[in-house]
Amino acid sequence: GESVGLHLPTLSVQEGDNSIINCAYSNSASDYFIWYKQESGKGPQFIIDIRSNMDKRQGQRVTVLLNKTVKHLSLQIAATQPGDSAVYFCAENTPGNTGKLIFGQGTTLQVKP
Amino acid sequence: KAGVTQTPRYLIKTRGQQVTLSCSPISGHRSVSWYQQTPGQGLQFLFEYFSETQRNKGNFPGRFSGRQFSNSRSEMNVSTLELGDSALYLCASSLVPGAKNIQYFGAGTRLSVL
Repeated sequence: GESVGLHLPTLSVQEGDNSIINCAYSNSASDYFIWYKQESGKGPQFIIDIRSNMDKRQGQRVTVLLNKTVKHLSLQIAATQPGDSAVYFCAENTPGNTGKLIFGQGTTLQVKP
Repeated sequence: KAGVTQTPRYLIKTRGQQVTLSCSPISGHRSVSWYQQTPGQGLQFLFEYFSETQRNKGNFPGRFSGRQFSNSRSEMNVSTLELGDSALYLCASSLVPGAKNIQYFGAGTRLSVL
């Protein structure tokens, strides 16, 4: 069925290092992808998005890369900080005029001080 | 500008009861979507509303229903609660439906069914 999957359930990094969180998607027709961050007790918080006509998009300390050939998405966080500790989800907006998002299972990012 | 507001934050019910959850979208946002989040299944789409009309529905039984009011506020209802309905229910709003319209989430309602 439809799925957006994450390769690693938990990622542990040292403070100051760069983090890379990966995601695979299955629907080659998907044209819009989003990364969300969810902290304990909170709802998902928008981080960055990318359209399928782009390969890369940068934000503040974050970069999203899209490889349509292998249907792969990644989120890079530069100089990871303790406040970055959270669960990260990639989401795929299903094609068509709909707001339905298909989420991956999530990756827990642990930042060690 | 206030974010997405969901009430109540926590709810405890027993099997067989019904429950109604409320969502107030960001001011100006007209599209509301609901998601169920569980440790085993992750985030799953429930339904999407725009202009008081349900535009899309996920793969959930008919016990799950919702509606949207003229002021864009939305409610979802779960009847005949089952233990497996215990979850975090999240509401998200966007300006209008469709791809490339960022959805902003509320903090969720934590439902526990005993």
